[in-house]
This record gives sequence, C-alpha cells and structure tokens, in this order.
Amino acid sequence: DQQVKQNSPSLSVQEGRISILNCDYTNSMFDYFLWYKKYPAEGPTFLISISSIKDKNEDGRFTVFLNKSAKHLSLHIVPSQPGDSAVYFCAATSNQAGTALIFGKGTTLSVSS
Amino acid sequence: DAGVTQSPTHLIKTRGQQVTLRCSPKSGHDTVSWYQQALGQGPQFIFQYYEEEERQRGNFPDRFSGHQFPNYSSELNVNALLLGDSALYLCASSLGQGRGEQFFGPGTRLTVL
Repeated sequence: DQQVKQNSPSLSVQEGRISILNCDYTNSMFDYFLWYKKYPAEGPTFLISISSIKDKNEDGRFTVFLNKSAKHLSLHIVPSQPGDSAVYFCAATSNQAGTALIFGKGTTLSVSS
Repeated sequence: DAGVTQSPTHLIKTRGQQVTLRCSPKSGHDTVSWYQQALGQGPQFIFQYYEEEERQRGNFPDRFSGHQFPNYSSELNVNALLLGDSALYLCASSLGQGRGEQFFGPGTRLTVL
C-alpha cells in the first residue's frame, strides 16, 4: 500500500505561469516532507522541505504548502521556466522511519516556452 | 567538490548471477543509503549504513546486502539475481543520522536478462 501518492503522472504548463504539483500521504506519523527534482540520467536533487510544525515554506520560486488535516502537500513553482521540466518526487519520513525517505511515484512536469 | 559518485553506470547480468554496485559519498558525509527505483516508480529504500554498520533496512530480502568502508564508501551486493531486480539503483549520502537532506548519485542501471 502506497503511503505517499502523487496522483498526477504528468503536468504541462506554459512558461511564466504557476505550476502546482500535489502529493497525498496516508501515514499520520510522517512529520517531515521533501520535494526532489530528477532530470534524465541524473540522481534526484533536493528542492525544498517542510516540517509538520509548519504549514508553508518558501525558497525563491518554490513554495511548499502542508495541510496536515487533509494529509496533503503541494509544491508551487512561480514563475515556471523551461528548465523546470523534470520529474518531481514527493518524499516523507518520520521518527519511526528514521532517515529513510518514502517516495511517491513522481510527476513529470513539462514547461513550454 | 565531488558529489556522490556511483559505479558502474550500467550493468547487464543474467538470472542467478551476483552483482556489486559501488558508491562514494559526498565529501564530508558519513552516512550512505541505497534505494531501488523500478521503471515508473519512485525510489524505494533498501538500507542505510552509518559507522560501517547497517542501521536501518527497508522491505528487501536478504539477497540484498551491503557494506560500508572506513572511508565511508559503500557497496551494495545482490545475490541470485531475478528479472525483477532490474532497476536503477541510487545511492544517497548525508551527514550523521539526522533528518537532513540526502544527496543522490546518478545511479547504476542494472538489467537482468
């Protein structure tokens, strides 16, 4: 049973617009969430994280929102750029899981110019 | 500053064979985690090594084993290969056993025929 779900396999956005990537989780013990970006032939690259004590974390063009009651988080990219085209993975961890990351299946973002 | 490096890049084996994959962590990092990423899936945690010991293990059979050396580099060994072991194997390094960011290598693509 998947504990971290990214229900949209793909997303297409125009350059300059907002990209919103969504992630749902089922394990209420998760207390730390991360987003990674992956280009072909490269390993995942850390983007941004959020602790469960917060509901928002911002870093430049990237903002992550956490809704604990809904067990939902989202990554907003504003403005989107063609170089943002990649696979985005949502990951979660808990004190029980230690430092093991539990990943979703990923969402492929395509930003067109 | 070299990031996480993995070797080999690609590997082809036949069923029943054994394979060893290698990982050098980012400079200054002492913890190495291994993940398996099957096609169309997110990375799945195999195990983590810290201070030359396996500290945490995911839901993988004993055919999967590892080792960490005094210089923090690590090996992943898989015995009695199955077709289903075909995947991208990712190594990630981090500092200590805290919940900080994990840095990923580019992975080793293993194909089992």
